[in-house]
Amino acid sequence: GQNIDQPTEMTATEGAIVQINCTYQTSGFNGLFWYQQHAGEAPTFLSYNVLDGLEEKGRFSSFLSRSKGYSYLLLKELQMKDSASYLCASSYSGAGSYQLTFGKGTKLSVIP
Amino acid sequence: NAGVTQTPKFRILKIGQSMTLQCTQDMNHNYMYWYRQDPGMGLKLIYYSVGAGITDKGEVPNGYNVSRSTTEDFPLRLELAAPSQTSVYFCASRAAGTSSSAPQYFGPGTRLTVL
Repeated sequence: GQNIDQPTEMTATEGAIVQINCTYQTSGFNGLFWYQQHAGEAPTFLSYNVLDGLEEKGRFSSFLSRSKGYSYLLLKELQMKDSASYLCASSYSGAGSYQLTFGKGTKLSVIP
Repeated sequence: NAGVTQTPKFRILKIGQSMTLQCTQDMNHNYMYWYRQDPGMGLKLIYYSVGAGITDKGEVPNGYNVSRSTTEDFPLRLELAAPSQTSVYFCASRAAGTSSSAPQYFGPGTRLTVL
């Protein structure tokens, strides 16, 4: 299978900026998704990147470098409600059915 | 739209029992998926379907079966429950089309314990 690597845990202060990194295998790569998952809840879609560069959506931005097999999720003006796990998932061509390979998730704790 | 719904929310099974986890979506999505999520292990694909009557195995299909008789429903069957199947199960769906940008939408999950 395809390996997705992201840090297990991160802690950041309310109001600050945090960057969550993700690396993936580039062979057959066809897109990168970020999901947010609060404890005990379902993952919810945050962002999608397929081309190099930054995609901005309010306080959340996602960056992709296809040549480096690297993405990050940037969260600005952190709020307590941003405490959650953030899942990086990659899509690969040829997998059919648009299957996603998920990383193990990064648990973000926002502290006052 | 209710989106993706799953029942039950919680279930405790004894070893060797069987059960069906229900999943329904009202978005007319062709693609549907079943995942399990274990602590610290991420989401693993069990089975998927690209349309009614078509199903295929994912990464961890052993011990499970699925069927897809309608576009809306994609039940997951556990025939002989084992403690290793203790997990949180998520169903997801995705719109059809050739663009890779369409996200998967997840149901609320079923938390299953096998004792």
